[in-house]
Amino acid sequence: KQEVTQIPAALSVPEGENLVLNCSFTDSAIYNLQWFRQDPGKGLTSLLLIQSSQREQTSGRLNASLDKSSGRSTLYIAASQPGDSATYLCAVPQGGYSTLTFGKGTMLLVSP
Amino acid sequence: DTEVTQTPKHLVMGMTNKKSLKCEQHMGHRAMYWYKQKAKKPPELMFVYSYEKLSINESVPSRFSPECPNSSLLNLHLHALQPEDSALYLCASSQAGNTEAFFGQGTRLTVV
Repeated sequence: KQEVTQIPAALSVPEGENLVLNCSFTDSAIYNLQWFRQDPGKGLTSLLLIQSSQREQTSGRLNASLDKSSGRSTLYIAASQPGDSATYLCAVPQGGYSTLTFGKGTMLLVSP
Repeated sequence: DTEVTQTPKHLVMGMTNKKSLKCEQHMGHRAMYWYKQKAKKPPELMFVYSYEKLSINESVPSRFSPECPNSSLLNLHLHALQPEDSALYLCASSQAGNTEAFFGQGTRLTVV
């Protein structure tokens, strides 16, 4: 059974810092990995989808990397802003559908 | 348009009530999902519909009854719920298996 782990569970940084969120998974036979953002009490916003054949995917200040063989992904956020404060979740699909197994998330607080 | 719309945003219901949650997408996606999320936990899969047929039921109690009237709509009928069923209910859709999943903003359900 796939297990997804995210480290750290919480992170507090001052505005402007670059930061890295980590995600690891136990079964490397994945099709893709998806990073989401969740604001308190809200739904999930898809940030990046990185295919198993890709090493990196970029969107604005966000960069996701994937190392399938080692079962790891990172989400790099450049020049963090208070508006980046949220919980970040990584997820991998399994079972032939896009049924996602999620990590427990990293709660990010960026202070002005 | 990558929008999944859920209604209502908030719902308070008694244990003897019957209510329904609704989800709609117009992206032409053929797979739709219901997830349940408790506070400070990751989302957990409840049901998967593929091409309007129920494909996965994650051993969800019968007081939750899903319905997919057409390829754009997904309902979750609720009856005789318990206070522990209070949670954020998230709907998602994807083009097919192992493709990017898009989530709605959720329905915050409180059972009293």
